[in-house]
Amino acid sequence: DAEITQSPRHKITETGRQVTLACHQTWNHNNMFWYRQDLGHGLRLIHYSYGVQDTNKGEVSDGYSVSRSNTEDLPLTLESAASSQTSVYFCASSEFSFPNTGELFFGEGSRLTVL
Amino acid sequence: GDSVTQMEGPVTLSEEAFLTINCTYTATGYPSLFWYVQYPGEGLQLLLKATKADDKGSNKGFEATYRKETTSFHLEKGSVQVSDSAVYFCALSDRDTNAGKSTFGDGTTLTVKP
Repeated sequence: DAEITQSPRHKITETGRQVTLACHQTWNHNNMFWYRQDLGHGLRLIHYSYGVQDTNKGEVSDGYSVSRSNTEDLPLTLESAASSQTSVYFCASSEFSFPNTGELFFGEGSRLTVL
Repeated sequence: GDSVTQMEGPVTLSEEAFLTINCTYTATGYPSLFWYVQYPGEGLQLLLKATKADDKGSNKGFEATYRKETTSFHLEKGSVQVSDSAVYFCALSDRDTNAGKSTFGDGTTLTVKP
């Protein structure tokens, strides 16, 4: 079965360190997204990509970067981790070609704690 | 821009009670509408969807109807179970005006007590 996997599932790091969260999907979807989930804020879009070599900023992109070198992977990098980036991060993918109508397929999440 | 407003929680119900979680949206185009569910410790998963006006999405006893005239997509279930305890998110995705990005409500936490 196709799936979307994230790693690591849990990560503790220190302020100022670089952190990369991996996301790998086998749906063969063109669209991939990174969200963060915080109490009281629901899901907020960090970065997204519509295909290889395409990346775009979402509503909360400061301090984050992504790269898309192939269809399957969209790693999220925190250049210099800050305590405000402590959160649960979700990767998702979607497609608008039949039978998909834009619904998102989510990974299980990566819980990041920045001390 | 697009936005989704859903009923604030938390919601606590007894088993077999009727559930309604309200969701209204604002969109410049003609979006698809979704309800996602998040069980404790897991990612979100699609519960149901509707892609055009008057469509009814249904799954696992849950239903929601796409009401264009009231810009609403309320989630209902006739008889909830303890296993329905989760966080529910209303969302929209507009292929034409927002290139497929999804906009989410803040989520409603449902707790069902035996």
